Amino acid sequence: GQSLEQPSEVTAVEGAIVQINCTYQTSGFYGLSWYQQHDGGAPTFLSYNGLDGLEETGRFSSFLSRSDSYGYLLLQELQMKDSASYFCAVGSGGFKTIFGAGTRLFVKA
Amino acid sequence: GAVVSQHPSRVICKSGTSVKIECRSLDFQATTMFWYRQFPKKSLMLMATSNEGSKATYEQGVEKDKFLINHASLTLSTLTVTSAHPEDSSFYICSALERAGDNEQFFGPGTRLTVL
Repeated sequence: GQSLEQPSEVTAVEGAIVQINCTYQTSGFYGLSWYQQHDGGAPTFLSYNGLDGLEETGRFSSFLSRSDSYGYLLLQELQMKDSASYFCAVGSGGFKTIFGAGTRLFVKA
Repeated sequence: GAVVSQHPSRVICKSGTSVKIECRSLDFQATTMFWYRQFPKKSLMLMATSNEGSKATYEQGVEKDKFLINHASLTLSTLTVTSAHPEDSSFYICSALERAGDNEQFFGPGTRLTVL
């Protein structure tokens, strides 16, 4: 079967750093992506890791270790507007993407 | 960035009727589009992959006769929920790839379907 595991909820304070982990077990692997979704909105792309290592995009960074089937999203200098759901997603071949269950991030003042 | 629209944004229908949802790529041509279903505070469940000019590829457990997908052009894919029932009530989201093999999917704003 195919599965992605990520924490259901994370709470942090404004200005802090938070890390959202994702482990995966899929039949194919064509990279790990992260998407952000605010309530009632569409998911928006945050980052992609095709190779091992760290990718940095502004306040967001994403890491991948293919040997460990593991990745994480790191959010720095948290802002209230970062409160949202964050999904890790694995490209599993045929242009398909399998999404994790999502992590709801609550940022408190 | 690339923009994907969906219409309608919300629809309420009676049980037994059919509902069509449109997904359009506004400023690019999308050879591949995806249809997802999302329950409240849950993940996106891939329903089918839609390729222009060919039959959609449905995921296991998704009834192709229930959820008709047509990708008539490089900018339009439609999902028709036939003979809708209350259990079909959900948030339906489409996404599109600007180029085959792209890593980023561009998502539409979603359609909230409520079947009474």
